[in-house]
Amino acid sequence: KQEVTQIPAALSVPEGENLVLNCSFTDSAIYNLQWFRQDPGKGLTSLLLIQSSQREQTSGRLNASLDKSSGRSTLYIAASQPGDSATYLCAGNSNSGYALNFGKGTSLLVTP
Amino acid sequence: DARVTQTPRDKVTEMGQEVTMRCQPILGHNTVFWYRQTMMQGLELLAYFRNRAPLDDSGMPKDRFSAEMPDATLATLKIQPSEPRDSAVYFCASGLSGQTWPPQTGELFFGEGSRLTVL
Repeated sequence: KQEVTQIPAALSVPEGENLVLNCSFTDSAIYNLQWFRQDPGKGLTSLLLIQSSQREQTSGRLNASLDKSSGRSTLYIAASQPGDSATYLCAGNSNSGYALNFGKGTSLLVTP
Repeated sequence: DARVTQTPRDKVTEMGQEVTMRCQPILGHNTVFWYRQTMMQGLELLAYFRNRAPLDDSGMPKDRFSAEMPDATLATLKIQPSEPRDSAVYFCASGLSGQTWPPQTGELFFGEGSRLTVL
């Protein structure tokens, strides 16, 4: 089964900083990788999807990349804002099926 | 605005009672997932369907959990009898998967979840 590790588990930064969240997979044969955001008491909101033929995706201040050779992904957040405070989860699937396997998330706090 | 709809949003019940959670996937999506989220375990896959056929239910306790998809617009997750350890948030998610190999579902969309508390 695909195991997903996210580092760090928690992160606190002052507003305006650029930051990187990390995600690694035990099975580097990742076909779809998706980053999500979860606010307290809410569902997961899709941020970025990297499909099998892609290596990187960008949306606004967010950039996600995937290194398939190492089974690692990073989510880069530029010029962080207090509204970015949330838990960020990465998930990926492998050739074992269509379902995404999730990491436990990085809890981000951006202080004004 | 297309979204995954789950009911109930909150459910408090007593041990031994039957609980049914419902999910309406996004119209046109052919793959539906049930996940459970707890503080200790994070998000765990319980079961999923593709084109209404169950593909994997290995994450579910078979003796008490059952998942069905009676039609393309409704997926259900039933727990009977419920136990306190079933207390968690249950999420439904849907996506569109193609016929190509390797398996890819495309972007996955989640509902707001059903928070279950079993006393």
